[in-house]
Amino acid sequence: DVKVTQSSRYLVKRTGEKVFLECVQDMDHENMFWYRQDPGLGLRLIYFSYDVKMKEKGDIPEGYSVSREKKERFSLILESASTNQTSMYLCASRSPRVPTEAFFGQGTRLTVV
Amino acid sequence: QKEVEQDPGPLSVPEGAIVSLNCTYSNSAFQYFMWYRQYSRKGPELLMYTYSSGNKEDGRFTAQVDKSSKYISLFIRDSQPSDSATYLCAMGGDGAGGTSYGKLTFGQGTILTVHP
Repeated sequence: DVKVTQSSRYLVKRTGEKVFLECVQDMDHENMFWYRQDPGLGLRLIYFSYDVKMKEKGDIPEGYSVSREKKERFSLILESASTNQTSMYLCASRSPRVPTEAFFGQGTRLTVV
Repeated sequence: QKEVEQDPGPLSVPEGAIVSLNCTYSNSAFQYFMWYRQYSRKGPELLMYTYSSGNKEDGRFTAQVDKSSKYISLFIRDSQPSDSATYLCAMGGDGAGGTSYGKLTFGQGTILTVHP
C-alpha cells in the first residue's frame, strides 16, 4: 500500500517562528510537491521537486523554502510564520512515468497565532 | 483569469441523482486531465484520468473531456451518500505551450453532499 506521510496532523505556531513541515514517501518517487489548500481557492502549488536536491517554485513560494536532501523526504520551511500562512498543507509524490497519479498525504492543518 | 475554473458549488443532491461536476481551462497545451476526490480530513485521491477528448467510464463515474471547448466534466450516476466529498479537477502538461513540466494545476474544488 503506497504511502505519503506528513509528520503532523495539526500544528499551532506563533507569529515569527520558523516552522518545519516534513513529508516522507515510500514509493521511490522522483517528484514531490507541497500545496496549500484554502476554502474557495483550491490547491495552490508552493514548491515542487523533480528529484533529490532539485526544486522549482510554484505559484505561491513567497515566505516558504524547501529542502530535499534524500529522495524520500521533502521538507517545507516557513522562515518566519505569519497569520496569513494559516492553512491546510498537503504533500504529494508522483512518478514522472505516471504523471496523472499523484499520491497525497493526509495534510497538516497549521494555525499561526 | 485562472488557468482552471471549477464550478464552486456546493452541491446537495438526493441519493440516486445524477451529478455533473464541471471545469473549464484556458491553456490548450494541457495534455492530461484528472479528477480527484477528497473526503473530509483526508488528502485527495485520484478518481479518474484521461489524456484524450471523449468519454471514459469507470463504474458509476464518467469523465468527459472536450478539448475544443476546453471543458471537462465528471458525471456520477446513482449517487450514494458515500460519494459526499470535495471533487477537484486537475490538469497537467509536458512543459510545452506554457505548461510547466511536472506541475498539476487544480480547480477550486466542488463540495458534494448526497443525502439519503
